[in-house]
Amino acid sequence: ILNVEQSPQSLHVQEGDSTNFTCSFPSSNFYALHWYRWETAKSPEALFVMTLNGDEKKKGRISATLNTKEGYSYLYIKGSQPEDSATYLCALGYFGNEKLTFGTGTRLTIIP
Amino acid sequence: KAGVTQTPRYLIKTRGQQVTLSCSPISGHRSVSWYQQTPGQGLQFLFEYFSETQRNKGNFPGRFSGRQFSNSRSEMNVSTLELGDSALYLCASSLAVGGWDDIQYFGAGTRLSVL
Repeated sequence: ILNVEQSPQSLHVQEGDSTNFTCSFPSSNFYALHWYRWETAKSPEALFVMTLNGDEKKKGRISATLNTKEGYSYLYIKGSQPEDSATYLCALGYFGNEKLTFGTGTRLTIIP
Repeated sequence: KAGVTQTPRYLIKTRGQQVTLSCSPISGHRSVSWYQQTPGQGLQFLFEYFSETQRNKGNFPGRFSGRQFSNSRSEMNVSTLELGDSALYLCASSLAVGGWDDIQYFGAGTRLSVL
């Protein structure tokens, strides 16, 4: 059983502040890591897919880093806005394991 | 381009009944995956269909089944419903050109309540 852990479970951040959270995973047989944003009453939406150690992705104020050797990824949000309030999910793909394994998510609330 | 469409959005059933959920993927996507989400749990993988064939399966009992049609639309069936089957069921489609680095595009889900 693959254990994908996300921390913290929930987070409250003041509007304008920057924040980050973590996805930890077993590094053996790593294939790909996905980050999704899931707003209430909407569909999960892909933010990034990362495959290489040291990979970094950026989309506006959101960026992500990946360390496959030590088994973690950070998601950073710079200058948080109310529309950033959502649950952020990471999902892992592994060689020999034919499915994506999701973490339980970090629930981010931006306080205006 | 239309997104992934799931119907119905909400369902209420009683124990012992069966239910069928439908998912229409994005045009051109050949892979459809189904997930279950219950409170406190991450998305749990049910199965994946590609070109009308079940390609991968998660650890769910045989009461959960699915199929995919030639137009890539997929249905999921749950027979003999149990209270614990109450959950949000999401489907996701992808191009599935490569492996698990393909982006998954999710539908809005079907919320199933079993009474």
